[in-house]
Amino acid sequence: AQSVTQPDIHITVSEGASLELRCNYSYGATPYLFWYVQSPGQGLQLLLKYFSGDTLVQGIKGFEAEFKRSQSSFNLRKPSVHWSDAAEYFCAVGSGGSYIPTFGRGTSLIVHP
Amino acid sequence: GAVVSQHPSWVICKSGTSVKIECRSLDFQATTMFWYRQFPKQSLMLMATSNEGSKATYEQGVEKDKFLINHASLTLSTLTVTSAHPEDSSFYICSAKQGKETQYFGPGTRLLVL
Repeated sequence: AQSVTQPDIHITVSEGASLELRCNYSYGATPYLFWYVQSPGQGLQLLLKYFSGDTLVQGIKGFEAEFKRSQSSFNLRKPSVHWSDAAEYFCAVGSGGSYIPTFGRGTSLIVHP
Repeated sequence: GAVVSQHPSWVICKSGTSVKIECRSLDFQATTMFWYRQFPKQSLMLMATSNEGSKATYEQGVEKDKFLINHASLTLSTLTVTSAHPEDSSFYICSAKQGKETQYFGPGTRLLVL
């Protein structure tokens, strides 16, 4: 069975600083990987996804993520965080042909001015 | 981009009553819709998958008689929480996709059962 681990429950950064959110997955074959963002009281918005090809994936809002098979990781990065990036971030892994993801528990991003 | 709406956005009901939540894909036809439940500060838990015109597939541990799902058209799925109790209070989120494309999530419905 597939699973996702987001080891950090909370991350606090200063506005303008760089950001990296960690995600590790467990899956036997090549996974389909996703990062979603959820603002308070809202649904989820897809930031980026990896299905195959280039392991460095560019997403919306200046985010990127790198798939590292050797480390079973798919960490999310942003070079300069804005206050509006404060939200809950979910990593997810899917498999097979249905792309139905299993979600990690989420990482809450706090941005200090 | 694709838009998914949910109605209502929040609902408060008395214990023992039933509550219906609607999920609509506004600008695309969704062959498959999903219902998730999210507890505070926790991840999304998939409850069921529904395909238009067929019975929903429920995840292990989800009571199908408790959470009735109907996917009557390519743009509408409903989740009915029957005989709701306080432990059913949660944030319910639907998502929809067309074929194998990305899932698009609704804004969620917050249910509070008193």
